[in-house]
Amino acid sequence: EVQLVQSGAEVKKPGESLKISCKGSGYSFTDYWIGWVRQMPGKGLEWMGMIYPGDSDARYSPSFQGQVTFSADKSISTAYLQWSSLKASDTAMYYCARHVIGRYGDYMDVWGKGTTVSVSS
Amino acid sequence: SYVLTQPPSVSVAPGQTASITCGGSNIRSKSVHWYQRKPGQAPLLVVYDDSDRPSGIPERFSGSNSGNTATLTISRVEAGDEADFYCQVWDRSSDHPIFGGGTKLTVL
Repeated sequence: EVQLVQSGAEVKKPGESLKISCKGSGYSFTDYWIGWVRQMPGKGLEWMGMIYPGDSDARYSPSFQGQVTFSADKSISTAYLQWSSLKASDTAMYYCARHVIGRYGDYMDVWGKGTTVSVSS
Repeated sequence: SYVLTQPPSVSVAPGQTASITCGGSNIRSKSVHWYQRKPGQAPLLVVYDDSDRPSGIPERFSGSNSGNTATLTISRVEAGDEADFYCQVWDRSSDHPIFGGGTKLTVL
């Protein structure tokens, strides 16, 4: 079974750093892009960007460029989303999802259960 | 960048048919994908490439795409279908996915 297992909920203070994870299993982790999607409270889905674990090539949505960092460790089939200095506005649910090539562009066929990040002083 | 427009909410009685639209300029030239997100759960792909269903998704879920509107149709709606639904396309100009704002399906 193809699965993405995300790390647990985090409660942080503004200015702190954070790294959350997404571990893939049941497929060749290095052959698919992993995307990150944010859902702020009461809002819709926003694509943040993606990383190719095979070579750690990362692409960022302009809205998130410079705000977060993607990384991957293919030896343990795990992708990461990292912040160096959290803000209260980073409070959200964060999903990782496997990208699949569709007829005209990618879609996401398998999703992690999400990691809740709460940032408050 | 490309914009997808969904109605904020759709209500339907059990056993009836729900239609959730996703509007975009010449959307028929794109592939539309649909996700269902129930409270406390991860999004689930229910339709991809306009009208294909992943394995395990009931035939009650179907999709179409024409002109400036794509539609997700759920027939014989059940209480368990209540969820938020999001459409998604790939925007070639920005080279990344775009989501619609989401539609809350309420089963009366």
